[in-house]
Amino acid sequence: AQSVTQPDARVTVSEGASLQLRCKYSYFGTPYLFWYVQYPRQGLQLLLKYYPGDPVVQGVNGFEAEFSKSNSSFHLRKASVHWSDWAVYFCAVKDSAGNKLTFGIGTRVLVRP
Amino acid sequence: EAAVTQSPRNKVTVTGGNVTLSCRQTNSHNYMYWYRQDTGHGLRLIHYSYGAGNLQIGDVPDGYKATRTTQEDFFLLLELASPSQTSLYFCASRDRGEQYFGPGTRLTVL
Repeated sequence: AQSVTQPDARVTVSEGASLQLRCKYSYFGTPYLFWYVQYPRQGLQLLLKYYPGDPVVQGVNGFEAEFSKSNSSFHLRKASVHWSDWAVYFCAVKDSAGNKLTFGIGTRVLVRP
Repeated sequence: EAAVTQSPRNKVTVTGGNVTLSCRQTNSHNYMYWYRQDTGHGLRLIHYSYGAGNLQIGDVPDGYKATRTTQEDFFLLLELASPSQTSLYFCASRDRGEQYFGPGTRLTVL
């Protein structure tokens, strides 16, 4: 069965600094991968998705992610963090039938002024 | 844009109580999902459905029933609620690859 590991439960970053959130996946075959964001007191919203192709995927609000098959990773990046990026970020992988997502535990991002 | 609504937004019940959480999506998506979110666990799938009358078992189904009455409506039922079911519950619907989430229902079982 597939799985997702987000090793950092919490990341604190200064506004304007760069951000990288780590995601490692376990999947037999070529995965379909997602990053979702959960702002305070809201549901999850899609940031970006990877379908087999270009390993660097652009998302909303300046986020991008890079897929690496050799490292089984799908790390999320942002060049310059804004206070509004204060949220919880979830990495997810789709199952082989395409019907279910398996989520990581999430990484909470705190932004210092 | 896809719209998924949930009700109630907050619910408090007692151990052994009977609770129904409601979800409605207005975009005629075939698939709908119920998740629970807990610190240290992320989102875990309880049940899902690919159409009216259909139900599929998720990863953490124990203590939960669900029913999909129409294309739009998906209900989660806790017939004998326990404190371990205190959680934040999310409903989602799916269009092709992307899932669209509702705002969540916070359930507290005393």
